[in-house]
Amino acid sequence: DIQMTQSPSTLSASVGDRVTVTCRASQSISHWLAWFQQKPGKAPKLLIYKASSLESGVPSRFSGSGSGTEFTLTINSLQPDDFATYYCQHYNSYPLTFGGGTKVELK
Amino acid sequence: EVQLLESGGDLVQPGGSLRLSCAASGFSFTRYDMSWVRQGPGKGLEWVSIISFGGESTYYADSVKGRFSISRDNSKNTLYLQMNSLRAEDTAVYYCAKSKDNLYAFMDVWGKGTTVTVSS
Repeated sequence: DIQMTQSPSTLSASVGDRVTVTCRASQSISHWLAWFQQKPGKAPKLLIYKASSLESGVPSRFSGSGSGTEFTLTINSLQPDDFATYYCQHYNSYPLTFGGGTKVELK
Repeated sequence: EVQLLESGGDLVQPGGSLRLSCAASGFSFTRYDMSWVRQGPGKGLEWVSIISFGGESTYYADSVKGRFSISRDNSKNTLYLQMNSLRAEDTAVYYCAKSKDNLYAFMDVWGKGTTVTVSS
């Protein structure tokens, strides 16, 4: 099974900051990676798929990059609505797996 | 509006069974693969199972293989998860989710979730 490791687990940032979250796969997954945002008590929301494709309706301050085993999610100019937990998920093969999550909190 | 509505969550004793349902509306249910994803209290997301749009293919996480069974009734636009031999570690919010397309298993629409608690 492919393991997904996110870092950091918690990130403290201020409004306007540029934030980067990293996701590493235990083996190559090409660009078969998605990123989700989740707020407390709510369902996850798809942000990015195919490592760098922005889901319709998602603000352009979100971007994704990477391929193979290392991926990043970047939020340019962090907004108040962006404080949440972010998860990566590979879809290279079954079983699908998620990273452990990165909580972006207010500094 | 595209919508997924889960139901069937409950308090159940260890070793018991439960069937979750997910009613889909606002899109062509018969055209998309569907998944169940769960989240234990204070924990991250865990993929549970997926079923192909026609129901012919199913896959499971190792943690539920042999105990859970995913199915769908395309005439009723409904997804199911039959859960047997439930354990305390199955306690979670269970989400159903739609695949964005059927070539790749990532989810673009999620329900609000239904809560399963396994406890004596």
